[in-house]
Amino acid sequence: NAGVTQTPKFQVLKTGQSMTLQCAQDMNHEYMSWYRQDPGMGLRLIHYSVGAGITDQGEVPNGYNVSRSTTEDFPLRLLSAAPSQTSVYFCASKPGTGGQGTQYFGPGTRLLVL
Amino acid sequence: GNSVTQMEGPVTLSEEAFLTINCTYTATGYPSLFWYVQYPGEGLQLLLKATKADDKGSNKGFEATYRKETTSFHLEKGSVQVSDSAVYFCALTGGSYIPTFGRGTSLIVHP
Repeated sequence: NAGVTQTPKFQVLKTGQSMTLQCAQDMNHEYMSWYRQDPGMGLRLIHYSVGAGITDQGEVPNGYNVSRSTTEDFPLRLLSAAPSQTSVYFCASKPGTGGQGTQYFGPGTRLLVL
Repeated sequence: GNSVTQMEGPVTLSEEAFLTINCTYTATGYPSLFWYVQYPGEGLQLLLKATKADDKGSNKGFEATYRKETTSFHLEKGSVQVSDSAVYFCALTGGSYIPTFGRGTSLIVHP
């Protein structure tokens, strides 16, 4: 199993550009989520999904879109990048929607918006 | 709603020192509790977990006991190594299936 994979590892954007951060998991997990990690802020939930075709907003959804057309993939789209979106982005998945499941994290995408 | 509070860092220790990182929580019902570790430049990975009161999770010399009476899940290790330098996150899942994370505690271990 590859676990949770994310691409790209690093990205530099100019203000106003759009891009998609890719996330895939091969563990057949129902629950997937996106976080951003900023110094001193811990992890903040952007969007999450409890299954194909179902997505919902987290704590900081503005400026980001997601879709979940398959169980495996959960891409995050930045519609018009802003310097405030400079961050490290983590995708995570966990089996089912029960409370005992461990979350599995990808290696992260480091994004710089100029 | 659910919340997790963990001690602010950085925690700086010498090699072979005893480690405690405090974590307390607020949650409805009977949450599951987790410690995740993030090594530099990597994503988070599970360190240990406990799913009911009085359970002790352990892994790689780290331990934490689920204390319902004090709503705590403190992380301990008897003798830290330089390779333990990382950021440690306390987390819970309870009521909602959406995990709640603490802000993380940075641990720096000097030789």
